[in-house]
Amino acid sequence: EDQVTQSPEALRLQEGESSSLNCSYTVSGLRGLFWYRQDPGKGPEFLFTLYSAGEEKEKERLKATLTKKESFLHITAPKPEDSATYLCAVQAHRRGNTDKLIFGTGTRLQVFP
Amino acid sequence: NAGVTQTPKFQVLKTGQSMTLQCAQDMNHEYMSWYRQDPGMGLRLIHYSVGAGITDQGEVPNGYNVSRSTTEDFPLRLLSAAPSQTSVYFCASSYDSSGNTIYFGEGSWLTVV
Repeated sequence: EDQVTQSPEALRLQEGESSSLNCSYTVSGLRGLFWYRQDPGKGPEFLFTLYSAGEEKEKERLKATLTKKESFLHITAPKPEDSATYLCAVQAHRRGNTDKLIFGTGTRLQVFP
Repeated sequence: NAGVTQTPKFQVLKTGQSMTLQCAQDMNHEYMSWYRQDPGMGLRLIHYSVGAGITDQGEVPNGYNVSRSTTEDFPLRLLSAAPSQTSVYFCASSYDSSGNTIYFGEGSWLTVV
C-alpha cells in the first residue's frame, strides 16, 4: 500500500536557524514526489517536483532532495514568512488509471523573529 | 486570474440536510478533483474528473456525488450530511494528472451538527 509519513509534526525555529523536514514514502513505482506549502486558511501551493533519487531542487531558502525511501526539505536561514504547513505527496505509476496523489499529514513550521 | 474558486467558504449544516459545494476554474484544465482535509490525516481524494462528462471515485467517495457538465465547473454534492463529513474541502484543477500542475482552491469549511 502506498504510504507517506512526514516528520516532525510541528517544528519551531528561531529566525536564521536552519533545519530539515522529512518525508518518508512507500510506493511501488514512483512517478514523482511533490512538496507543497499551505498557509492557514488557504489551499496547498505547489513548490517542487522530484522524480528520481539524487535529484535536488532549490527555491530561495528551500532545497528539496530525494532518495529511494525519503525526501528532505531543507530550510536555510528561515524567516518568519516561511511559517506554514509543508505537505509532501507521492504519485505512483498506475496502469490504466489516473495517477492519484497520496499526501502526508504535513509539518507545521513556525519561525520566530 | 481567478484560478480555482470555491463557494461557500463556510457552511453549517444539520444532520440529514443536503447541499452543494461549488467549484469553478478558469484555466481550461481537464482534470478536476475534490479532497477533504481532516486533522491528523493527509488530504484524501473524494472524487475526480478527467474531462467533461467523465467522473470517477477516489479514496473516500461515500456520501458524496459529483457531476461534470462543463470543463469549468465541478460541484460536490452532500446527499444527506453526517457529522463525519465535518471537514475542510478543497477543489483542485490541473492541466494533466501530474501533481506538479495542480492548483487548489482556498477551501470550504463545513460543519455538520
